[in-house]
Amino acid sequence: DGGITQSPKYLFRKEGQNVTLSCEQNLNHDAMYWYRQDPGQGLRLIYYSQIVNDFQKGDIAEGYSVSREKKESFPLTVTSAQKNPTAFYLCASSIAQGAYTFGSGTRLTVV
Amino acid sequence: AQSVTQLDSQVPVFEEAPVELRCNYSSSVSVYLFWYVQYPNQGLQLLLKYLSGSTLVESINGFEAEFNKSQTSFHLRKPSVHISDTAEYFCAVRLTGGGNKLTFGTGTQLKVEL
Repeated sequence: DGGITQSPKYLFRKEGQNVTLSCEQNLNHDAMYWYRQDPGQGLRLIYYSQIVNDFQKGDIAEGYSVSREKKESFPLTVTSAQKNPTAFYLCASSIAQGAYTFGSGTRLTVV
Repeated sequence: AQSVTQLDSQVPVFEEAPVELRCNYSSSVSVYLFWYVQYPNQGLQLLLKYLSGSTLVESINGFEAEFNKSQTSFHLRKPSVHISDTAEYFCAVRLTGGGNKLTFGTGTQLKVEL
């Protein structure tokens, strides 16, 4: 079955540590996205990529980095510069002008 | 830039009662509109979408939404809710000629009670 897989489901980060969230899709979608979800704030766009080897900043890119070396993969790194990283992170993919397909999310907690 | 407003953060309703979740958008150009549903600790699932054609769109589980261009609204309705409809619902908008980026509302938590 085609879909989009995020791992891990739960992730704990220590202060000053970088962590990487995985996002893999086998839907053959060109575009991929990372959103951050906080209670009462909806979804906010971190980064998106319309094609391999290209990506753009979203509304809240500071403290995050991404890469898009393969069509299937769009990992997100939460760096130590992100001062409030505790949140639910959602990855999505789409074809051009199509609806998004979402992964099941990664819940990141700072300990 | 486009924006989405979901006026109600929480909507409590009794089972088998009707419900309406409100969504208004702001955009100077044509848009596509979407409703997504999210169950606890899961990703979002597409509920229904308006791209063109009939302004009334329906989902397979009894929800419907009507695109009203003059009121810039896309309210979600269901004539009789079930306990299993308890979830958070997000309205989203995308410009028809503006790439793939979706802008989401802040969500409405629907709580169905017995």
